[in-house]
Amino acid sequence: EVQVLESGGGLVEPGGSLRLSCVASGFIFPSYAMSWVRQTPGKGLEWVATISGSGEKTYYADSVKGRFTISRDTSKNTVYLQMNSLTAEDTAIFYCARINSTSEVLRCDYWGQGTQVTVSS
Amino acid sequence: DIQLTQSPSFLSASVGDRVTITCRASQGINSHVAWYQQKPGKAPKLLVFAASTLQSGVPSRFSGSGSGTEFTLTISRLQSEDFATYYCQQGESYPLTFGPGTRVEI
Repeated sequence: EVQVLESGGGLVEPGGSLRLSCVASGFIFPSYAMSWVRQTPGKGLEWVATISGSGEKTYYADSVKGRFTISRDTSKNTVYLQMNSLTAEDTAIFYCARINSTSEVLRCDYWGQGTQVTVSS
Repeated sequence: DIQLTQSPSFLSASVGDRVTITCRASQGINSHVAWYQQKPGKAPKLLVFAASTLQSGVPSRFSGSGSGTEFTLTISRLQSEDFATYYCQQGESYPLTFGPGTRVEI
């Protein structure tokens, strides 16, 4: 059974940093890209970042480029999202998701339960 | 970036109704669209990909169609467990983008 489990969310002050983790199981981890997607009540779902299965390629939303870094550790079946220079606009539920690209369409076929990130003083 | 719009944004329906949600892309994206269902407090769930391919385990009352810039998600006979918010997503290229959502309520 494919499972994805996020952790690391919490309350952080503006300008602070936080690292999210996502442990995956039930599939061959290096064979799949992994993504972070966030959700706020006002903005709906927003894709944040993706890392390829090998870890060699990364993609970022313009809103986080230069502040967030996605990485993965194949030995731990874990994906990370390092978030720096956080602002109130980063307050959201952050989901980790597996990317499936068969049929040439990129989609999130398995999602974690989400972890809340709140940026506030 | 490829922008997605959805219509309607809100839909009031009854059990047994046929429901259709439309998603439009700002440029042609072949059939590279996915649809998700999200219930309150839960993560989104993939329903359809490649515009019309049902994800494993998804009931056959869900169907998708379209190509290019216009796509539809249809629920043939609405069940009580289908009341949720539905999102389209373009899977053509990065940055991945989602539609604003369609809330289906009684």
